[in-house]
Amino acid sequence: DQQVKQNSPSLSVQEGRISILNCDYTNSMFDYFLWYKKYPAEGPTFLISISSIKDKNEDGRFTVFLNKSAKHLSLHIVPSQPGDSAVYFCAAIGGSYIPTFGRGTSLIVHP
Amino acid sequence: EAQVTQNPRYLITVTGKKLTVTCSQNMNHEYMSWYRQDPGLGLRQIYYSMNVEVTDKGDVPEGYKVSRKEKRNFPLILESPSPNQTSLYFCASSEDQPSYNEQFFGPGTRLTVL
Repeated sequence: DQQVKQNSPSLSVQEGRISILNCDYTNSMFDYFLWYKKYPAEGPTFLISISSIKDKNEDGRFTVFLNKSAKHLSLHIVPSQPGDSAVYFCAAIGGSYIPTFGRGTSLIVHP
Repeated sequence: EAQVTQNPRYLITVTGKKLTVTCSQNMNHEYMSWYRQDPGLGLRQIYYSMNVEVTDKGDVPEGYKVSRKEKRNFPLILESPSPNQTSLYFCASSEDQPSYNEQFFGPGTRLTVL
């Protein structure tokens, strides 16, 4: 049973517009959430994170929103750039030291 | 340059032939882990290590072994590889447990078991 779900396998956005990537989770014990970006033939790289005591965290063009009651988080990229084209993984961590990853969303930003 | 290195990057082997994938980090990180990524699935943790000589199972440890004799190295051992272990493997490290620390990932090892 998937505890972290990224229901959109892919997303296509025009350059300059907003990209919104979504992630849902089921385990209420998760208290820390991270987004990783992955380019082909490379390992994932950390992008941004949020603790469950916050509902928003911002870093430049990237903002993560957390809605604990809905068990939902989203990553906003504004404005989107072609270099943002990658696979984005949502990850959640709870009481154990084992991060649970979603299946990823492939973002394509068209020039 | 701070990095996590893995070797080999690509490996094709046959069922039952023992193999080792090496992982090394130069950031003096306490925590290291191994993941596998399969098509349509997210990264799943195989094993992790909180420090030297301390290792523990992740979500999918069956068929794998690890060791942590030195802080910088965390090899993944497949004693008797099987075709269902064909996958993309990533090693990762972080300063401490990943709860509040970003993990740094290696470039990946693509393993094919025939």
